[in-house]
Amino acid sequence: NAGVTQTPKFQVLKTGQSMTLQCAQDMNHEYMSWYRQDPGMGLRLIHYSVGAGITDQGEVPNGYNVSRSTTEDFPLRLLSAAPSQTSVYFCASSSTSGSFYNEQFFGPGTRLTVL
Amino acid sequence: GDSVTQMEGPVTLSEEAFLTINCTYTATGYPSLFWYVQYPGEGLQLLLKATKADDKGSNKGFEATYRKETTSFHLEKGSVQVSDSAVYFCALSDGGKGDYKLSFGAGTTVTVRA
Repeated sequence: NAGVTQTPKFQVLKTGQSMTLQCAQDMNHEYMSWYRQDPGMGLRLIHYSVGAGITDQGEVPNGYNVSRSTTEDFPLRLLSAAPSQTSVYFCASSSTSGSFYNEQFFGPGTRLTVL
Repeated sequence: GDSVTQMEGPVTLSEEAFLTINCTYTATGYPSLFWYVQYPGEGLQLLLKATKADDKGSNKGFEATYRKETTSFHLEKGSVQVSDSAVYFCALSDGGKGDYKLSFGAGTTVTVRA
């Protein structure tokens, strides 16, 4: 199993540009989520999904869109990039069967810089 | 709302030293508690967890005990190695709310010198 994969690893954007961060998992996990990691702030939840066709907002959703058309994929779209969105982005997935406390598996991250 | 507070770093230790990272939490329900570790250039991975009061999670020589009376989940290791150099995150999940969200602390950077 590849686990959780993210592309690209690095990206530089100019203010106002749009882009999509890709996330895929091959573990048949129902729950997927996107976090951003900023120095001194830990990880903050952007959006999450409990299954195909179902998404919801997390703590910091503004400026980001998501969709979940398949179990495997959960792309994150930046509509109009701003310097405040410079961050490291992590995708994570977990099973929803049996417990709310199942381990979340994280991808390797995408480092985004907005100039 | 739910929140996690962990000791600020960075922490620098010599090999074989004792490591402790403090973590306290605030939650309205009965959360489960986690420690995740992030090695340089990688994503986070679960180190250990505890799902109810007085549970002890352990893995790779690390331990943490869920203390409801002090709302704490401190991470300890008796003898660290250079390979333990990483960022450590304390996190909680309040499954009683019917969701799978994790709330993270700010992270503590640990550097172990040979």
